[in-house]
Amino acid sequence: TQLLEQSPQFLSIQEGENLTVYCNSSSVFSSLQWYRQEPGEGPVLLVTVVTGGEVKKLKRLTFQFGDARKDSSLHITAAQPGDTGLYLCSMGAQKLVFGQGTRLTINP
Amino acid sequence: DAGVIQSPRHEVTEMGQEVTLRCKPISGHNSLFWYRQTMMRGLELLIYFNNNVPIDDSGMPEDRFSAKMPNASFSTLKIQPSEPRDSAVYFCASSFSRKAGHQYFGPGTRLTVL
Repeated sequence: TQLLEQSPQFLSIQEGENLTVYCNSSSVFSSLQWYRQEPGEGPVLLVTVVTGGEVKKLKRLTFQFGDARKDSSLHITAAQPGDTGLYLCSMGAQKLVFGQGTRLTINP
Repeated sequence: DAGVIQSPRHEVTEMGQEVTLRCKPISGHNSLFWYRQTMMRGLELLIYFNNNVPIDDSGMPEDRFSAKMPNASFSTLKIQPSEPRDSAVYFCASSFSRKAGHQYFGPGTRLTVL
């Protein structure tokens, strides 16, 4: 069974700080997705990465895929209260397996 | 454009009752997924369909759960009989099969079984 481990499980920081969350597996990913879920809503795709070493940026969010395609990180610069949510990584092409998520709280 | 539509948004029922959850995927999407989310187990895939055909139901917990997709614009997930441990948020998602990593999720149905 392929498992995705996300860390930290919970993170609470002040507005304006930087943060990094991680997604790791013992298996090689064909592709990896990052989703964000806000309370009372379904997850929304942020990015898909497919190439080892790939870096993608989405405004203040930077996503990196490990060279061996077994891990990924999400870095947020100058966090804002609107970044609050559950960040989920997933792997797979169609049958997605999700990590447990990092629950991020940005305090004003 | 309308996203994935799920109904009901909330369902409270008693143990032993039948529960039916409904989903309307995004028009033109040919893959549909049912997930369950709990604090303990996270987001788990129950079953998915391609072109209305069930492809993988290995995540369905047991025979009490069944899912159907009679046409491209409608799917149901049925639990009969329901048990308290089925309490969770159930999500439906849809996608183009060629971009299946990009799934569009509905708002979910929060199910409480008393």
